[in-house]
Formats: sequence, structure tokens, C-alpha cells
Amino acid sequence: NAGVTQTPKFRILKIGQSMTLQCTQDMNHNYMYWYRQDPGMGLKLIYYSVGAGITDKGEVPNGYNVSRSTTEDFPLRLELAAPSQTSVYFCASSHEGFEAFFGQGTRLTVV
Amino acid sequence: AQSVTQLDSQVPVFEEAPVELRCNYSSSVSVYLFWYVQYPNQGLQLLLKYLSGSTLVESINGFEAEFNKSQTSFHLRKPSVHISDTAEYFCAVSVTSYDKVIFGPGTSLSVIP
Repeated sequence: NAGVTQTPKFRILKIGQSMTLQCTQDMNHNYMYWYRQDPGMGLKLIYYSVGAGITDKGEVPNGYNVSRSTTEDFPLRLELAAPSQTSVYFCASSHEGFEAFFGQGTRLTVV
Repeated sequence: AQSVTQLDSQVPVFEEAPVELRCNYSSSVSVYLFWYVQYPNQGLQLLLKYLSGSTLVESINGFEAEFNKSQTSFHLRKPSVHISDTAEYFCAVSVTSYDKVIFGPGTSLSVIP
């Protein structure tokens, strides 16, 4: 039962570098989400997708990009890493508006 | 657009005491409601959910929540907490089965020995 899988689990980036956070789910969910969680703070929605080929901005999309070419995969791209992007990133998926299933998170530090 | 409010950002409680974590939402139409738990350094897990039917829903580890439509609330309760309940708790709502899930800011529950 893989569920939602995120890679990598940890990453240290230098300012200005780029990277892609991978997210894949095997539950055939149409909705997928990317959140960031800063220490002591709640979840902030970065981007979400309601199906392959469809993406939309959440609360904090600046500095990020996404794509959804397949139902299973929803990668998050950071083009020019900044210290403000130091956070824990969670990917989630759901069948429409029903309960969301979360990955274990990616802890990103930008130095 | 719907929103979720969790009025208490931190709730300290002694072991074996009762606890209530409050959640209110804003929506004028039917909703689905969820509570998630996040243990330290882990992802979020579904604790319980209300989709329809009985307004009182229970989890396997002793938590319960009651949907109150008139007060637009979905408070989480447990009659006797354990140290292992120390975690962050998130309330979430979706308006229909065709809308994304919206999360509240979370409540940090600390159980004191």
C-alpha cells in the first residue's frame, strides 16, 4: 500500500539553485495538492490540480511551478531557491473533495 | 469561499483530563468535515470524518466530533487524554464532493504528565 510517495525526504539547496520535489500516488485520485508547513504554522496551499493537465494556484504560489501530465504524478519545481522557501513540503491526493491522503513530507533547507 | 477557523492555537492539558479542540467553518451549503492528526516529524493522518448521516462520529482511539449545522462547528473531544495524544490537530472542510479540501491553521495539543 504505497499511497502518496514523496522524494526526496531531505534536501539542502544553495540560494539560486533549482530542484524538483517528486510526488506520486497510486490511488487513482483526481485531486492532488502541494502544501508547505513552516515551524509552528499550519498548512499553506501552494498549488493544486483537479486532474491531468489542470493546475491552479493556491495561497502561496510565488517561486514555485507545477505540472500534471499524468494522474499519478504531481511534481513541484523550485526555480531559484530562496531562504524563505526553507520549509517542510507535503503532497496530498484525494478523490475530489473527500479525505486527503498525505505523503511523509520533504524537509527542504535553503542556505 | 469556505474557510475554517480553529480558535485555539495551543491547548495544554493534564493527562487523563478531558479536552475539546474547537473548529468552526463558514459555508452556507452542505459540507464534508474532517479532523487530521500530525504527530511530530510525520505527515498528516485522517482521524475522523463526517460525510452524512449521524452527526456524531468517532475515531478508533477514543476521539469523537459532533457536526452542528446551526453553529457551523465540528469540535473534537476526548474524555481522557494520554501522553501519546500530543500532536498537531487540523480541522478541514470541503463544500461538496467536487471541491478541494481546505485546512484550518491547526491546534497544538500538549498532554502534561
